[in-house]
Amino acid sequence: SQQGEEDPQALSIQEGENATMNCSYKTSINNLQWYRQNSGRGLVHLILIRSNEREKHSGRLRVTLDTSKKSSSLLITASRAADTASYFCATVLNTDKLIFGTGTRLQVFP
Amino acid sequence: DTGVSQDPRHKITKRGQNVTFRCDPISEHNRLYWYRQTLGQGPEFLTYFQNEAQLEKSRLLSDRFSAERPKGSFSTLEIQRTEQGDSAMYLCASSLDRGRYEQYFGPGTRLTVT
Repeated sequence: SQQGEEDPQALSIQEGENATMNCSYKTSINNLQWYRQNSGRGLVHLILIRSNEREKHSGRLRVTLDTSKKSSSLLITASRAADTASYFCATVLNTDKLIFGTGTRLQVFP
Repeated sequence: DTGVSQDPRHKITKRGQNVTFRCDPISEHNRLYWYRQTLGQGPEFLTYFQNEAQLEKSRLLSDRFSAERPKGSFSTLEIQRTEQGDSAMYLCASSLDRGRYEQYFGPGTRLTVT
């Protein structure tokens, strides 16, 4: 079963705009990760945030985590056409298996 | 290429047939995971190995499914008596020891059961 849900399910923006996607989950976690999936490269790890962290940055990516609300957000700044993909959040509980959300499909138009 | 590889990339089979998929993880990775992904959904965990030991199996893994990692290197996932509901993308991932949470995924094997 899916642990979380992403919102929105689909997002269309122009190049240069920012994209924000949200993830909600159900149980206490050890950490939360974001992955990107496109047909060319499969699933790729983007960033990991631990349960005791509130914000993390990696290049154009910014992730926040609110454990009291059981939610996370991924912000992609200055989006590019190459960012077009599906984005999934995945939670890690007390074992190392990933429990994925339902994903957000991002389309970036040139 | 030193990434995770999977074989075959595509498999079409008739209902009732058995199929076997192979996954070769990144060589120094001790942990190996199998996930299943259906269209429009996120991947769902099936099972994982620490070296050759199978540590956890999902309830999704019915008795028709079996996974092995005989020497702690490559892994196989076998589905017996395939059903149309088994049609999905089967993903393999690997990671270093516990605590190294980032997982590296292979390209997947797309199974179509007709």
